[in-house]
Amino acid sequence: AQSVTQLDSQVPVFEEAPVELRCNYSSSVSVYLFWYVQYPNQGLQLLLKYLSGSTLVKGINGFEAEFNKSQTSFHLRKPSVHISDTAEYFCAVSDRNDYKLSFGAGTTVTVRA
Amino acid sequence: GAGVSQSPSNKVTEKGKDVELRCDPISGHTALYWYRQRLGQGLEFLIYFQGNSAPDKSGLPSDRFSAERTGGSVSTLTIQRTQQEDSAVYLCASSYEASGRVGHPFFGPGTRLTVL
Repeated sequence: AQSVTQLDSQVPVFEEAPVELRCNYSSSVSVYLFWYVQYPNQGLQLLLKYLSGSTLVKGINGFEAEFNKSQTSFHLRKPSVHISDTAEYFCAVSDRNDYKLSFGAGTTVTVRA
Repeated sequence: GAGVSQSPSNKVTEKGKDVELRCDPISGHTALYWYRQRLGQGLEFLIYFQGNSAPDKSGLPSDRFSAERTGGSVSTLTIQRTQQEDSAVYLCASSYEASGRVGHPFFGPGTRLTVL
């Protein structure tokens, strides 16, 4: 079984500043990793995913994440945020032989002008 | 439709009543999931359907919860004798299967259930 820890529950950030959302996971097997975003009053959307290959993954809206196997981390970054990035962000992991996603508790990002 | 749809979007019920939540997956997606999101928490897996296989019910929290998927498409999640602790957003997701592996889930907007 896997578990996911998102280290920050709330991240306030000014517009055009960089942001990093931290995610650590625990698993005894190889995993796939995901970041989902939930905009206010909307459903979850996939931002990016790591399946294999390059450990630096680029997603939509200028986000990227880096898989670090030794540190069991998958931190999400964006070099310059916009007001429209205000949302809740979820990190998730699945076993490569399974289909169920285990989610972190979420990080709420609030971007201020 | 273009995405996963769920109905109703909001449901308020009294403790002890039964509720049914509906999910219409993306056409052609063979896998369907139900998750629950309680306030301030991450998503909890409830149940998974894949094709004609027996569903994975390992996440259902009690026997008051059940789900069915008719004709490999629409799914209904039923909660009997609702309790206040059942208050949450119930999310449905569907995914395709390619090369023998199930793809990542596409989520619906959710049903917000409030049990008074």
